[in-house]
Amino acid sequence: QKEVEQDPGPLSVPEGAIVSLNCTYSNSAFQYFMWYRQYSRKGPELLMYTYSSGNKEDGRFTAQVDKSSKYISLFIRDSQPSDSATYLCAMSNTDKLIFGTGTRLQVFP
Amino acid sequence: EAQVTQNPRYLITVTGKKLTVTCSQNMNHEYMSWYRQDPGLGLRQIYYSMNVEVTDKGDVPEGYKVSRKEKRNFPLILESPSPNQTSLYFCASSSGWGRETQYFGPGTRLLVL
Repeated sequence: QKEVEQDPGPLSVPEGAIVSLNCTYSNSAFQYFMWYRQYSRKGPELLMYTYSSGNKEDGRFTAQVDKSSKYISLFIRDSQPSDSATYLCAMSNTDKLIFGTGTRLQVFP
Repeated sequence: EAQVTQNPRYLITVTGKKLTVTCSQNMNHEYMSWYRQDPGLGLRQIYYSMNVEVTDKGDVPEGYKVSRKEKRNFPLILESPSPNQTSLYFCASSSGWGRETQYFGPGTRLLVL
C-alpha cells in the first residue's frame, strides 16, 4: 500500500463547477500538507500549504486537512479552463516528503 | 524574475555515456533537490542539499551523484546511465530548510537507449 493515494482521474467538469480533489494517506506523523499544480510540460508550482488540521482559503482555492481520517482535499470554486492541469498532493514530516501521483483535471468551456 | 533553470530540457543518450544535468536558482535558496517523475509513481526525491557542500540521499539515489559547490547550482550527474533512468527530472529549491514550499524548474526529459 502506498503511503499517499491519489485518484489519477481524469476528472472532467464544466466551467463554473466546484471541483473536489482528494488524497488519503497512511502515515499519521505527517504534519505538512501541500497541493501543487502542474501544467503539461511544466514543473509543479505550489498552490496551497497547510500545517496540521483545518482549512485554508486562497481566492477560489480551499485546502482542507482531516488528520483524524487521514484525508486531505483541495476545492476549486468557479472552475475555469485555465485550471486544467494535474494536481499533486504532497505531505511531509521531519523524516520524509511524499508526493501523490497526481489527479488530472479537465475543465471544459 | 525568480526562477529555477535546468539544462538541457531534452536529452537522448546511450547506455553508459556520462551526462550532467545542470540546475541553477536565482533566489538565494539554501535548500535544493532533484526529483524524477514517472507515470504511476509520482515525484520521487533523488538527492537534496541543505546548503553548500551539504548533500544527502533521497528515496531513489542509486545511479546518481550530485554536488553543491555554489549556493545557486546543484548539478545532477549520471556516471553510467541505464535505460531505467529514462524519466522526467525536476530540480527544485526553497528558502531555509523548508521542503514544503519548493519552486520547481521546468524539467528535463531524459531518454537512455
